[in-house]
Amino acid sequence: QSVLTQPPSASGTPGQRVTISCSGSSSNIGSNSVNWYQQLPGTAPKLLIHSNNKRPSGVPDRFSGSKSGTSASLAIIGLQSEDEADYYCAAWDDSLNGHWVFGGGTKLTVL
Amino acid sequence: QVQLQESGPGLVKPSETLSLTCAVSGYSISSDYSWGWIRQPPGKGLEWIGSIYHSGSTYYNPSLKSRVTISVDTSKNQFSLKLSSVTAADTAVYYCARLKYYYDSSGYTDWYFDLWGRGTLVTVSS
Repeated sequence: QSVLTQPPSASGTPGQRVTISCSGSSSNIGSNSVNWYQQLPGTAPKLLIHSNNKRPSGVPDRFSGSKSGTSASLAIIGLQSEDEADYYCAAWDDSLNGHWVFGGGTKLTVL
Repeated sequence: QVQLQESGPGLVKPSETLSLTCAVSGYSISSDYSWGWIRQPPGKGLEWIGSIYHSGSTYYNPSLKSRVTISVDTSKNQFSLKLSSVTAADTAVYYCARLKYYYDSSGYTDWYFDLWGRGTLVTVSS
């Protein structure tokens, strides 16, 4: 059972807008920023969004992040077939002397 | 270009100690960044194992803390993970990652894992 809660799956057709949610608590998302990672099949996770809504260089602006209270969301507009991947949210949790927590991951299927 | 590469035994016997190293190329490990280990059991999600900061401070997953040690070897430009008393539940792909300290002109600061190694599969079995 992951500390951060994500839907196990999401889907969309090419060109659509898709959102993936990440729900936490006051000790993690409520107090700290959220990062999002994309994991293509058979590869290592790649940083997609950091500090709630900041895109690293090279990440398309089709990807955006937001946070409100103890929840966060990743939005993808203009969905493309190469976006089919697993997506994970992560945040620092202030409890128990502090530790990183991840969501269980959301498998995005492009129909 | 900075790269991280995990290495170590792919098979470890139950009750023994899992030892992995992460070689850092293209950057001096003794400079700014901090470092961490994350694992992923087959078909499952990501689990943070622990981190070592540039200051030398370490933070470990509370559920693994009694079994984990992370250290840095600046002479070899690498950092290491040791996980003792392993069981089949420790079977996973182990990733090393760089932990970046971010700050901007507004004074905002943050930490996040910005670069990951390719990962190495460690199986615990007799």
